[in-house]
Amino acid sequence: GAVVSQHPSWVICKSGTSVKIECRSLDFQATTMFWYRQFPKQSLMLMATSNEGSKATYEQGVEKDKFLINHASLTLSTLTVTSAHPEDSSFYICSALGWGAGRGPDTQYFGPGTRLTVL
Amino acid sequence: AQRVTQPEKLLSVFKGAPVELKCNYSYSGSPELFWYVQYSRQRLQLLLRHISRESIKGFTADLNKGETSFHLKKPFAQEEDSAMYYCALKSNFGNEKLTFGTGTRLTIIP
Repeated sequence: GAVVSQHPSWVICKSGTSVKIECRSLDFQATTMFWYRQFPKQSLMLMATSNEGSKATYEQGVEKDKFLINHASLTLSTLTVTSAHPEDSSFYICSALGWGAGRGPDTQYFGPGTRLTVL
Repeated sequence: AQRVTQPEKLLSVFKGAPVELKCNYSYSGSPELFWYVQYSRQRLQLLLRHISRESIKGFTADLNKGETSFHLKKPFAQEEDSAMYYCALKSNFGNEKLTFGTGTRLTIIP
């Protein structure tokens, strides 16, 4: 149980285009999801907290107009990278907060990540 | 501000030898500490959390508030333990956000 999927697993786009990444909790509902960014050989950096039915909370230094987050249902959050540039190339990882999914409440379950390459 | 430090980026240990991955944290309140593991080509997954006080796959970790540490230990390393290990901290603010350390890549030498 407690499986989180991401789609696509990788994407290549041209500079200036927008890219949408989906994060789904497959077998549980998640009122809260998180979006992280990971550069090569570095740690996960939290970008924003996505709350179902309300606006996302962004971490300091993350441009909310650049990284649009929509958490329209209890099983889906999307991250849209708008007007992508080469410096946005990175590995984007989402997690969903699970309750009673075998490991107790307050546990983040992670997706497999999406590799974005902007040419 | 909260911070998690994992001083070793790389750690190599012979199979059967003891393993200790270090984690120190900086936080003024009462944090909750976690160890996450990422095996090759797999997603990040929870290994253990300090409040559970459990042993998972032979690993244990004890929260030492005096030393602000949460080191991960295993008495006898196995080849399947080779992976990337991240220490993470959750504040007691109730927002469930995690702060991750930079990770330690553990390699078990056969």
